[in-house]
Amino acid sequence: DAGVIQSPRHEVTEMGQEVTLRCKPISGHNSLFWYRQTMMRGLELLIYFNNNVPIDDSGMPEDRFSAKMPNASFSTLKIQPSEPRDSAVYFCASTPLTRDYSGANVLTFGAGSRLTVL
Amino acid sequence: AQSVAQPEDQVNVAEGNPLTVKCTYSVSGNPYLFWYVQYPNRGLQFLLKYITGDNLVKGSYGFEAEFNKSQTSFHLKKPSALVSDSALYFCAVRETGANNLFFGTGTRLTVIP
Repeated sequence: DAGVIQSPRHEVTEMGQEVTLRCKPISGHNSLFWYRQTMMRGLELLIYFNNNVPIDDSGMPEDRFSAKMPNASFSTLKIQPSEPRDSAVYFCASTPLTRDYSGANVLTFGAGSRLTVL
Repeated sequence: AQSVAQPEDQVNVAEGNPLTVKCTYSVSGNPYLFWYVQYPNRGLQFLLKYITGDNLVKGSYGFEAEFNKSQTSFHLKKPSALVSDSALYFCAVRETGANNLFFGTGTRLTVIP
């Protein structure tokens, strides 16, 4: 299994540009999470999906951020327009959704996408 | 509301000595507790978890953690530290029935040769 695959690994862009980050979860994992990591705020949950449906997007900073999951094997996180304060490492993680929603399942993380907005 | 506190930003320990990375939590109901490790320029890797049963949980790379309900703690331990254990360690909690995982701010462990 190739694990959770994120692209691009590094992105440098200028303020005002659109940024699209991509994630391919592990096959069979039907729950997907987007996290953002910064020195100041640590690891923050942005949004998560169960069976391709957004469940909780309360962590999305503002309307400039949007996330989609058009199918079980692909998700995008888009920032438009980007700002310097969006510079961070963005992680995608996936996990199987247990039938009893027991919460014991383990998240598997991708290697992250490091975004720098100049 | 669930929360996790890692009171130490940085822990330094000599190679071969025991190490402890502290974590306390607050959650409604029974907690599911996790430890993850992050090496430079890598994603988070799962180390161990507590769900139920024995309070002492053993995980990867010789790490273990002890669940203490009365103190609401889940400290990570290892009897003998290795230089290769140097990394960023995250404690995380999930409430029963919830799916999202809430992380602490992380503790940077440095093992000194």
